[in-house]
Amino acid sequence: GENVGLHLPTLSVQEGDNSIINCAYSNSASDYFIWYKQESGKGPQFIIDIRSNMDKRQGQRVTVLLNKTVKHLSLQIAATQPGDSAVYFCAENIGVGGTYKYIFGTGTRLKVLA
Amino acid sequence: DGGITQSPKYLFRKEGQNVTLSCEQNLNHDAMYWYRQDPGQGLRLIYYSQIVNDFQKGDIAEGYSVSREKKESFPLTVTSAQKNPTAFYLCASSIWVADGDEAFFGQGTRLTVV
Repeated sequence: GENVGLHLPTLSVQEGDNSIINCAYSNSASDYFIWYKQESGKGPQFIIDIRSNMDKRQGQRVTVLLNKTVKHLSLQIAATQPGDSAVYFCAENIGVGGTYKYIFGTGTRLKVLA
Repeated sequence: DGGITQSPKYLFRKEGQNVTLSCEQNLNHDAMYWYRQDPGQGLRLIYYSQIVNDFQKGDIAEGYSVSREKKESFPLTVTSAQKNPTAFYLCASSIWVADGDEAFFGQGTRLTVV
């Protein structure tokens, strides 16, 4: 959906703890989802993706969970480090009349406390 | 090096002037996208293109125009009709597959109206 006028929610986590960042997506027909990390003044970087035929996917220190019933994604970061401080966005790939586009969620700012 | 390049990194524009932001990719990607990001907010889709000589409006296309004459290039023009153009502009590209694939982002252009 639209992100107009919204400000980013913030998650503060102690260094070494696990982080869980949540995202609600809009289209039940979406079949591909991505998590991105964005550091200040830079473009988003790919973290992990998942397709709709899966409900869980693991990477290095990160896990994405997909619940299609409630249209919800989560990103879990294990043993959070100071370098994980950034803004995290989920994106869904939506098909419209034969074309495909990526729609981004609101984003969450992760602050890692020393 | 393969990647997606946006230029310039910083751009200043006087009110009433059109300005064009460059986006070039050498990843052989079919699809390209332009997003706008305002401070503390998420990414909003301006325009996207799946193939050469074809493009579609995103959620906030008013006041912007694009062209896709070459596969590698997708320039964005911010026209004088865009009432609040100051923002961070991000270009992305991806291969075009029906079930989706990772979108790669450039490092962005920060546009300021003076």
